[in-house]
Order: sequence, then C-alpha cells, then structure tokens
Amino acid sequence: NAGVTQTPKFRILKIGQSMTLQCAQDMNHNYMYWYRQDPGMGLKLIYYSVGAGITDKGEVPNGYNVSRSTTEDFPLRLELAAPSQTSVYFCASRARDQIGNTIYFGEGSWLTVV
Amino acid sequence: QKEVEQDPGPLSVPEGAIVSLNCTYSNSAFQYFMWYRQYSRKGPELLMYTYSSGNKEDGRFTAQVDKSSKYISLFIRDSQPSDSATYLCAMGGIQGAQKLVFGQGTRLTINP
Repeated sequence: NAGVTQTPKFRILKIGQSMTLQCAQDMNHNYMYWYRQDPGMGLKLIYYSVGAGITDKGEVPNGYNVSRSTTEDFPLRLELAAPSQTSVYFCASRARDQIGNTIYFGEGSWLTVV
Repeated sequence: QKEVEQDPGPLSVPEGAIVSLNCTYSNSAFQYFMWYRQYSRKGPELLMYTYSSGNKEDGRFTAQVDKSSKYISLFIRDSQPSDSATYLCAMGGIQGAQKLVFGQGTRLTINP
C-alpha cells in the first residue's frame, strides 16, 4: 500500500496564479484532512471531509477550496495565490472506526508563492 | 490564549539523557492525546496515543496525561541521535471527525 500520496512535492507559484494540490489514499479511509504547517506554528486544519461528497471548513479555510468526489481523492485548490499561502501542506486520512485515533499523513507539498 | 501551547525549543541534549517534552491545553473537552514525531522534510508520524488521564509506556517512550492540570508530557529515556526530530503534541475530542489540534512542535537534537 502506498498510504497517503501527495503531488507535487515542490511548487513555485506566482501571485494570482491558481493550482491544485493532489491527495490520494489507498486505505479506504472515510476521513481526510488538509493541514498547513508554518515554521513554529504547528499544523493548522484547512478543510476536512468525512466521506465522499461531504466537506467542511477547518480553522484556516480562506483562499482554499476542496472537493471529495471519491473516497480515495481529496484535492486542495488554491485560487489567486498569495504570499501568505507559502507553506508546507499535508494531507492526512483516518478510518472512521480507527482505534487509537491514528491519522496517517502524506509526505507534504512545499509551496512558495512569489 | 492558544488552545494548545507547546514550548518550541529548540532543545539540545547529549546522547543518553532523559528528555521531557510538554504541552498545556485549555479545552476540557479533549479526550485523546497524541505525540507525533516529524523528521525533517517528512510528514508527522504517530508516536504515542493516550485516552484520558494516565500513563502509557512504549519502549523508551512514556506519555503522561494530567487532565486536572490540562498538562501532557512525553519522556524519552536513553535518548539516541535517531530521536532527533520535531515532536508535536496533538489533542482531540470525541466528535466523529476527530479534528486534531496541534501544538507548535518542539525541535529536539540529540548530540552523540
């Protein structure tokens, strides 16, 4: 199993451009999450989904959009990129009945907006 | 006041030392307490998990939760250079989606 796969690993965007960060998991997990991590700030939840067709805002959703058309995929869309969106983005997933509350993270996507 | 506070360090100790990492929190609804380890340029991985108050031991690692004081700790015994990483505490309630709240992370270096 590949677990949680994120693409791209690195990306440089110009201000005002748009892009989509891809996330896929092969563990048949119901719950999926997008976090951003800034230096010394821990992980902040952007959006999450409890199943296909259902998404909800997290702590810092402004400037982002998500969709969940399948159980496996949870892409994060950045519209009109701004320097404040320079960050490391982590996708994560979890089974609904997971004992031990284990959330599995992807390897991260490093995004720079210039 | 942040919901979860964690001393960001950095913390540097000699090999073999006992390391203590701590977090405080303000939300009394938190029931699940976790420690994640994150190596440089990698995603966080779950290290320890505790439900409610008490201690949990796994090899050289011990997690403690004191809900009355809203304080959690991670102890690392006989620390090794391979333990050098950023350690993040995380907490969640009992709601279905389990939206975790993370601390800022403590960067730990174990010197040979």
